Amino acid sequence: KQEVTQIPAALSVPEGENLVLNCSFTDSAIYNLQWFRQDPGKGLTSLLLIQSSQREQTSGRLNASLDKSSGRSTLYIAASQPGDSATYLCAAYKAAGNKLTFGGGTRVLVKP
Amino acid sequence: SQTIHQWPATLVQPVGSPLSLECTVEGTSNPNLYWYRQAAGRGLQLLFYSVGIGQISSEVPQNLSASRPQDRQFILSSKKLLLSDSGFYLCAWSKRETYNEQFFGPGTRLTVL
Repeated sequence: KQEVTQIPAALSVPEGENLVLNCSFTDSAIYNLQWFRQDPGKGLTSLLLIQSSQREQTSGRLNASLDKSSGRSTLYIAASQPGDSATYLCAAYKAAGNKLTFGGGTRVLVKP
Repeated sequence: SQTIHQWPATLVQPVGSPLSLECTVEGTSNPNLYWYRQAAGRGLQLLFYSVGIGQISSEVPQNLSASRPQDRQFILSSKKLLLSDSGFYLCAWSKRETYNEQFFGPGTRLTVL
């Protein structure tokens, strides 16, 4: 059974500092991994999708890496801004089917 | 472009009352559709998913059911709500091809009193 873990559960950084968010999964036979952002009381916004054959994916200030052998994915956010404050969730597609297994999320606060 | 709608946005219901939450997707055909629940301290849990009209798969045994009467419509229902049904319900869609990106709706906040 796939399990996805995100540590730490909460993170506070000063504005301008780079953010590093971690995601680990127990079953390396994932197909894709997706990163989301969730603002309080809102739905999830897709940030990046990394195909299983890729090692990283970039979008603007965001860069996500995937290392299947070690069961890890990392989301980097460069030069953080107060608007980056949100909860970030990672989710892995199970080895079979179209089902995502979610981590518990990391709540980020960027202080101005 | 594709858009996903959910309603109502918030709902307060007494224990034992029925429930119907609706989700519709625009701008795509034959999507995979999903219902998730996000409860405090329990993360995001997949409840149901559907790969076509009338095709529903349940992930966890519970007091809820789902139906897909039309290609881009997904409904979450209950005959009698329990206190434990309170939570934030999210609908999502993805392209029919497997392992594609999922896109989420704005959610429905359900409080059962």
